[in-house]
Amino acid sequence: GQQVMQIPQYQHVQEGEDFTTYCNSSTTLSNIQWYKQRPGGHPVFLIQLVKSGEVKKQKRLTFQFGEAKKNSSLHITATQTTDVGTYFCAVVGRGNTGKLIFGQGTTLQVKP
Amino acid sequence: GAVVSQHPSWVICKSGTSVKIECRSLDFQATTMFWYRQFPKQSLMLMATSNEGSKATYEQGVEKDKFLINHASLTLSTLTVTSAHPEDSSFYICSATRQGANTGELFFGEGSRLTVL
Repeated sequence: GQQVMQIPQYQHVQEGEDFTTYCNSSTTLSNIQWYKQRPGGHPVFLIQLVKSGEVKKQKRLTFQFGEAKKNSSLHITATQTTDVGTYFCAVVGRGNTGKLIFGQGTTLQVKP
Repeated sequence: GAVVSQHPSWVICKSGTSVKIECRSLDFQATTMFWYRQFPKQSLMLMATSNEGSKATYEQGVEKDKFLINHASLTLSTLTVTSAHPEDSSFYICSATRQGANTGELFFGEGSRLTVL
């Protein structure tokens, strides 16, 4: 089935440092979504990328979709303690049901 | 944003009993809902796609007779874990896509944490 590999699994940073998580697929993706899950919480949608080479920004978060639409990244500039959580990329699974297949997630810890 | 509500948030049950989890879309109609399971420190694993008025579609390796899904209305899907065992202890999360939305964004319920003793 459709799979996407996400790295790193964990990242510990000092507050103020930058953070990046990457997702890679062996096949071309129609789109990719990013979600954030706070500890003990449920995933919350951040963004969807559709176009080749697309770059979108949300305040300190920068999302990129590769030119070949096989990889994506989420970069956080100057992390804050509120950024703590697990960030997942997600891609549409096979079939036309709208189901999403999630990457393994990157758990971010921020030391104040 | 759209709201998906899940109940109960926490449930503890004895081994061998059945547990029902409800997932409701509060402000939109959802012909399709998705059930995920998440073990500690792991990703979300899709269990099944719940279709209003028809049988659910289960992912490979998920026992349909053990995880009964019913989607009787456009706003309610239920997941029943039958004859639960300790290995079924997990975080179960439902989600839905809002019809007519510009993106395929999934709206997630708060999740139900099941502990089987």
